[in-house]
Amino acid sequence: GENVEQHPSTLSVQEGDSAVIKCTYSDSASNYFPWYKQELGKRPQLIIDIRSNVGEKKDQRIAVTLNKTAKHFSLHITETQPEDSAVYFCAAPLKTSYDKVIFGPGTSLSVIP
Amino acid sequence: EPEVTQTPSHQVTQMGQEVILRCVPISNHLYFYWYRQILGQKVEFLVSFYNNEISEKSEIFDDQFSVERPDGSNFTLKIRSTKLEDSAMYFCASRPGRGDEKLFFGSGTQLSVL
Repeated sequence: GENVEQHPSTLSVQEGDSAVIKCTYSDSASNYFPWYKQELGKRPQLIIDIRSNVGEKKDQRIAVTLNKTAKHFSLHITETQPEDSAVYFCAAPLKTSYDKVIFGPGTSLSVIP
Repeated sequence: EPEVTQTPSHQVTQMGQEVILRCVPISNHLYFYWYRQILGQKVEFLVSFYNNEISEKSEIFDDQFSVERPDGSNFTLKIRSTKLEDSAMYFCASRPGRGDEKLFFGSGTQLSVL
């Protein structure tokens, strides 16, 4: 079935600490895994993505790791800052069609100064 | 930087009325999408559109919904007879083409059905 799950649903960290959000998907044929950040009242914006032929990708303080066997991928944010506070969504396309990208339920991250 | 633009930003309508939400995708993109987000909830897929036809749709996208690309630039979502539960933020998105799955979202239309 079509299922993308995220954990935790809410996360509070102290400024400077790391945050990790995990996403699991059900479709083993999915091969593209993005993470979106949505600030309050704004549009979702892509922050990092990974393809199934690599296990990890980094972009400054943000990294994504992928475990295809276990069908999960994780977002890692290091040295968190208050402006990292937002809702983060993972997403995965379905094997039947890469035109159908399903979003996870979201993780609300609060970075406490 | 090119952006997906949506109009109007807010739309208030009476239950049973028809609404049309408008989007202008990024000009060289080939795939177009509508998503909706009920307040505080996740981003839900409605429909994808490629080569002038619907390529995928969700169970939410029933006969009350339709999409159209009336010219080379606009992409519209029509809700024929709005219900209270249609109240949500509707996001249009586009992506370049095969081999590039990055979705670019518009700023959304907040639809309120009274």
